[in-house]
Amino acid sequence: GEDVEQSLFLSVREGDSSVINCTYTDSSSTYLYWYKQEPGAGLQLLTYIFSNMDMKQDQRLTVLLNKKDKHLSLRIADTQTGDSAIYFCAEREGTYKYIFGTGTRLKVLA
Amino acid sequence: NAGVTQTPKFQVLKTGQSMTLQCAQDMNHNSMYWYRQDPGMGLRLIYYSASEGTTDKGEVPNGYNVSRLNKREFSLRLESAAPSQTSVYFCASSEGPTGQPQHFGDGTRLSIL
Repeated sequence: GEDVEQSLFLSVREGDSSVINCTYTDSSSTYLYWYKQEPGAGLQLLTYIFSNMDMKQDQRLTVLLNKKDKHLSLRIADTQTGDSAIYFCAEREGTYKYIFGTGTRLKVLA
Repeated sequence: NAGVTQTPKFQVLKTGQSMTLQCAQDMNHNSMYWYRQDPGMGLRLIYYSASEGTTDKGEVPNGYNVSRLNKREFSLRLESAAPSQTSVYFCASSEGPTGQPQHFGDGTRLSIL
């Protein structure tokens, strides 16, 4: 089946930019998503991008999509301690299935 | 606006017991999903319901059953709980085939002793 891969951990200093990377295998993916999960909570949708786009910006968040390399990234500008969480990348497989990565745990150091 | 509501939030069972996890959404979404989340494994799809009246197996359906009671509600049943089913269970919903993102509940933390 299709697969989504992410690095497990990322540590940054408060005020710096964070870049979380994701690679996927399904070249026919039409939508790709970023979710945030705080401790003890569900997954909160951050943003998503349609495959015909290269970039999407939403306040402090910038998503970059490289379809040729099947690479997706999430950049968080001016990272704050409240951004500490697990970030999941997901792709849509077919019509109803979504494939999630294992998540990247972001730790923001004060 | 409640979104996706899951009950209960926590549950402890003994091996062999049965229970039903409840999920309801108020966004008029067509599709609903059940996932389990285990450490280091991301989310794995157990079952999904593309629309009212239909259900399909996901990646890890063994030991579970589901019921799409109506458009709002999608329940997950463990008939005979096993320790391997200790996990956090998430329900999600989406509009359907348009590619709009899923919306998640806060999860049910289930421990089986």
